[in-house]
Amino acid sequence: DAGVIQSPRHEVTEMGQEVTLRCKPISGHNSLFWYRQTMMRGLELLIYFNNNVPIDDSGMPEDRFSAKMPNASFSTLKIQPSEPRDSAVYFCASSPGTSRNNEQFFGPGTRLTVL
Amino acid sequence: GENVEQHPSTLSVQEGDSAVIKCTYSDSASNYFPWYKQELGKRPQLIIDIRSNVGEKKDQRIAVTLNKTAKHFSLHITETQPEDSAVYFCAASKSRLSNFGNEKLTFGTGTRLTIIP
Repeated sequence: DAGVIQSPRHEVTEMGQEVTLRCKPISGHNSLFWYRQTMMRGLELLIYFNNNVPIDDSGMPEDRFSAKMPNASFSTLKIQPSEPRDSAVYFCASSPGTSRNNEQFFGPGTRLTVL
Repeated sequence: GENVEQHPSTLSVQEGDSAVIKCTYSDSASNYFPWYKQELGKRPQLIIDIRSNVGEKKDQRIAVTLNKTAKHFSLHITETQPEDSAVYFCAASKSRLSNFGNEKLTFGTGTRLTIIP
């Protein structure tokens, strides 16, 4: 398996533009997590899905952020409109989602810069 | 919700010495405690984890201890090597009994470990 795949790896955009980050979890994993990492705030959970259903989106900063998981092999995180303070590394992680295996496997991340 | 505190935020040790990183958690229902290592510019990766039914777990030079009564757990790295330099994150969650998805992890703020050659 190629592991968790994220695209793009780097994104530079201007304030006000829409940004869409993509994630393909490891095949067979039931849980998917979106994180944001910055120096100031560390690693923050934005939202997570179990079996494609959003379970907890309390970490989503505001209405400008939205996430979807239309099927078991794809998820998106959208920011519209983007702002400079959204600049961060965004990680997607997936987990087998079983009682015996809670390990989260992280993707390589998307480094977002909003000018 | 769960709150995880991690100390110290930075740690420098001489190569060959031991390093200890400590975390506390607030939710007594938490029962799963992983540690992740993140090298510069890379993704976090699991290095060891422990469940609440055991007090200690070892994997070569790495060990984790858990004190449920005090609600704290620690990472111990012995015989440190330059490749141990990284940021280490502790985390806590409530592990489900079902096989239909995991609970979220609450991460600590990270410890930047530097091994001095």
